[in-house]
Amino acid sequence: DAKTTQPPSMDCAEGRAANLPCNHSTISGNEYVYWYRQIHSQGPQYIIHGLKNNETNEMASLIITEDRKSSTLILPHATLRDTAVYYCIVRVDKAAGNKLTFGGGTRVLVKP
Amino acid sequence: DAGITQSPRHKVTETGTPVTLRCHQTENHRYMYWYRQDPGHGLRLIHYSYGVKDTDKGEVSDGYSVSRSKTEDFLLTLESATSSQTSVYFCAIRYRDRGFEGYTFGSGTRLTVV
Repeated sequence: DAKTTQPPSMDCAEGRAANLPCNHSTISGNEYVYWYRQIHSQGPQYIIHGLKNNETNEMASLIITEDRKSSTLILPHATLRDTAVYYCIVRVDKAAGNKLTFGGGTRVLVKP
Repeated sequence: DAGITQSPRHKVTETGTPVTLRCHQTENHRYMYWYRQDPGHGLRLIHYSYGVKDTDKGEVSDGYSVSRSKTEDFLLTLESATSSQTSVYFCAIRYRDRGFEGYTFGSGTRLTVV
């Protein structure tokens, strides 16, 4: 799986958009970008994933650059409950023995 | 939450004693995983299973063994617990949904070895 680089921490104002960057310059053509988050003391939670196109769901939007070497997770209206560690993970989908490999993630603090 | 239950939720044990953590799922998923998480670290894979009696090692498997005698249960055993195994342990399952492959995690087991 390709390695990812994320800033260790960032603050965001409540109600504002939070933009979380992720670099994955060694990504392969068949690797997807996944985002998970972990709220304190809980297990990680799936947010969104994508291959080439931008994606949006009820939780967030994912913007992937045209060369696929970086991406941005957007939380459109951050709330205090979005305070968590956010993990960007790049991996091949549907491969035998597949597993999630976690990096350090970005610790996001949403402030009132 | 894919019906994942971890037990116990909390445990304190003494160095040198055996400890078994249980992960139970109710939806017949083939793949199950055990991770540990330590302060300042992301999750690290200990072992995983791809079917009954089929298991493989992850990146931090030393000192741990696993068993999967039936689809719904994946057991993690510390044969002789050490203080370095004090950690939070998460179980996960892998699922398919409309062509998407996702993971669901349990609520974790906080293990303290004294």
